[in-house]
Amino acid sequence: DTEVTQTPKHLVMGMTNKKSLKCEQHMGHRAMYWYKQKAKKPPELMFVYSYEKLSINESVPSRFSPECPNSSLLNLHLHALQPEDSALYLCASSQGQDNQPQHFGDGTRLSIL
Amino acid sequence: QQQVKQSPQSLIVQKGGISIINCAYENTAFDYFPWYQQFPGKGPALLIAIRPDVSEKKEGRFTISFNKSAKQFSLHIMDSQPGDSATYFCAAITSFAGGTSYGKLTFGQGTILTVHP
Repeated sequence: DTEVTQTPKHLVMGMTNKKSLKCEQHMGHRAMYWYKQKAKKPPELMFVYSYEKLSINESVPSRFSPECPNSSLLNLHLHALQPEDSALYLCASSQGQDNQPQHFGDGTRLSIL
Repeated sequence: QQQVKQSPQSLIVQKGGISIINCAYENTAFDYFPWYQQFPGKGPALLIAIRPDVSEKKEGRFTISFNKSAKQFSLHIMDSQPGDSATYFCAAITSFAGGTSYGKLTFGQGTILTVHP
């Protein structure tokens, strides 16, 4: 079992739907990340939150909207997604230092119809 | 400059054999080198990691060898088991410009390891 918990594990949505992915960690980590992973590829960074503030947006389309309600929670709000957005969405966290390893959750498998 | 090159893309090993995965990098600003293991349907799990001032680190059957001058590092899995069959990613971490409380992970392209019984 991972210490980063993501819900739901699977999500199927239409292109006009609005849904949210949730991530929770209780390791006291102060940096949290969203990644997108396509099949047979490494994860690609989307967003970084540091001390609950958005620090990095890797030119992600606005149909993806991150939110960090507190130091343990991270959400990713989805709206008007495209079929090419189907992927595994991974949340990760790390201690509040730049060269500490990131710990990943098991992801949400997202399918866009 | 930011790439980490990983080889081979796939690897087949017999049970009990040694699995070796290699990575090379160019960016000398990388200062932490983790390896991740990913099973189908799961997220990447941190397996073992090394800092550039150390030439080797061993944890159980897993060993990282690090050659700073050659900018290369490798993962050795001794006595490989069918349960080790997974995708392995090497990675390197560097700070974002200006110094931050978070790091940028640069992944290799991954190696699919299959261990036959």
